[in-house]
Parts: sequence; structure tokens; C-alpha cells
Amino acid sequence: QKEVEQDPGPLSVPEGAIVSLNCTYSNSAFQYFMWYRQYSRKGPELLMYTYSSGNKEDGRFTAQVDKSSKYISLFIRDSQPSDSATYLCAMSGSGSARQLTFGSGTQLTVLP
Amino acid sequence: KAGVTQTPRYLIKTRGQQVTLSCSPISGHRSVSWYQQTPGQGLQFLFEYFSETQRNKGNFPGRFSGRQFSNSRSEMNVSTLELGDSALYLCASSLDSNEKLFFGSGTQLSVL
Repeated sequence: QKEVEQDPGPLSVPEGAIVSLNCTYSNSAFQYFMWYRQYSRKGPELLMYTYSSGNKEDGRFTAQVDKSSKYISLFIRDSQPSDSATYLCAMSGSGSARQLTFGSGTQLTVLP
Repeated sequence: KAGVTQTPRYLIKTRGQQVTLSCSPISGHRSVSWYQQTPGQGLQFLFEYFSETQRNKGNFPGRFSGRQFSNSRSEMNVSTLELGDSALYLCASSLDSNEKLFFGSGTQLSVL
């Protein structure tokens, strides 16, 4: 079983819909939680960065972390066709080394 | 501020050859990490360098190696290439541990 599980989709929604993306994990040592967006043939782009449990909002994006359930979510409000991409969750533990464990990514298409 | 720069953008090699990939981090960033991305395995951590020292290494064979120079630029080398090494190789930089990780656009390596 993988340390981080993410539904690969594909997920297709109409423009303006609220999108919910989720990941579960098994390693209780994870302290830092991130969401990246990746367009085709590009590197991942950092969207949200959260330490420990709680919610964080940035514009149309909201990240939630529930460490007790080992579950993280990304919500996209008023989705746009330009949001069509692959969304990757990533997480890491504390300490001196920078090693992210990624989910497999969810492919999202927002239809105009 | 310029982002993470990776060169070359595309590479085609044959089995048994070796390859060197280059990464220039964001100015001021001292940590450089390398990741391999394939359709089957997703994003997997290769290694991290900080102040010219390898600080952490993922579960890859010794054919994969890297180094970091005094100006924080990094190179990654793969010797005796195998077909399974075909992947997108991504470099990421951060200021220090537990800081946000920023990715370059990657080098797409094809091994024939």
C-alpha cells in the first residue's frame, strides 16, 4: 500500500462548479502538506502549503488538513477552464531533509 | 525573480550511455532536490543537496548520482542508461529545510 493515496480521476466538471480533491495518507510523521498543479509538459506549481492541521484559504482555493483522520483536501471554487490540469498532493515530515512524498495526481478538466 | 532553470529541456539517449542534467535554483535558494516522474510510478524523490552536501537519498540504484556546486547549481548524472530510465526529471529548490519547494519545468529523457 502506498503512503499517500489519491484518486487519479479523471474528473470532469462544468465551469463554475466547486471541485473537491482529496488525499489520504498512512505516515503519521507527515507534518507539511502541499498541493501542486501541473500542466502538461510543465513542472509542478505550488498552490497551497500548510503546516499541521487546519484550513488555509487563498483566493478560490481552500486547503484542509485533518491529521486525526490522515486526510487532506483541496477545494476550488468557481472553477475555470484554466484550472484544467493535474493536481498533486504532497507531504513531508519535519527534520533537516527535504523529501516530499507525492500522491499519484488527479486529472481535472473544467468544461466551458 | 527567475525560477528554477533546467537544461536541456529534452534528451534522447540509447541504452548503456550516460547523461548529465543541469539545474540552476532560484537565486538565494541553497537546497536543491531531484525527482523522477513517470506515468507508472508518479513523482519519486531521488536526492537532496544542501551546501554541496547530499543530505538525503531516495530508493534509486547507484547509477543515479548528483552533485551541487558552491553557487548552488546542481547536476544529476545517470550512468549505463536503461529503457526504464525514460522519465521527466524535475529539479526543485528551496531556501532551506521545511521551506516551500519550487520546481523547474524538467528535462524529458527518452532512452531508446
